[in-house]
Amino acid sequence: EPEVTQTPSHQVTQMGQEVILRCVPISNHLYFYWYRQILGQKVEFLVSFYNNEISEKSEIFDDQFSVERPDGSNFTLKIRSTKLEDSAMYFCASSQGSWADTQYFGPGTRLTVL
Amino acid sequence: QQPVQSPQAVILREGEDAVINCSSSKALYSVHWYRQKHGEAPVFLMILLKGGEQKGHEKISASFNEKKQQSSLYLTASQLSYSGTYFCGIMTVQGAQKLVFGQGTRLTINP
Repeated sequence: EPEVTQTPSHQVTQMGQEVILRCVPISNHLYFYWYRQILGQKVEFLVSFYNNEISEKSEIFDDQFSVERPDGSNFTLKIRSTKLEDSAMYFCASSQGSWADTQYFGPGTRLTVL
Repeated sequence: QQPVQSPQAVILREGEDAVINCSSSKALYSVHWYRQKHGEAPVFLMILLKGGEQKGHEKISASFNEKKQQSSLYLTASQLSYSGTYFCGIMTVQGAQKLVFGQGTRLTINP
């Protein structure tokens, strides 16, 4: 069964450094998302992406964040200058044909900012 | 805009039933239910698109009351494998391009 994959599984970085989190969505999916989850808390929406454009973003997704689909398979989240409060689990998700379709989550990348 | 889930936590014995509720203050387009086990990604359970719709998945089913802007998840004859945190995610009519999750309901099943 096709699944969303994410790399790395764990990223440790120093405050102020740039990080790139990578995702490979399910191959025939058209809609892509990033969510984050601070330990013990709820899953929070960051951004949705379709047709090479951001469709919607949350207040969390400020100028320090960017997303890109550099080729036909990868979907990346970049944090330009990490802060301590960026430490969280970051999940990528994808859905097939519309916003209302099931979103399948990847296994997540645990980001630790020191 | 965040949906409100209740209860926050439930402890059951194997074989007992549970109901988890999810309420929104805004008109709903769809409700998505996920289960997350500790340290893992959320796993999709079901999606409800229409008012009054009820869906089932093994012994887990859900209803969606469009008028009341709420959904309920029913777990019958619970099994140990049902333990985890259950999240409802909503898409509102205004913000249909994002899934907004509730704070979660932690379900513990004891033998």
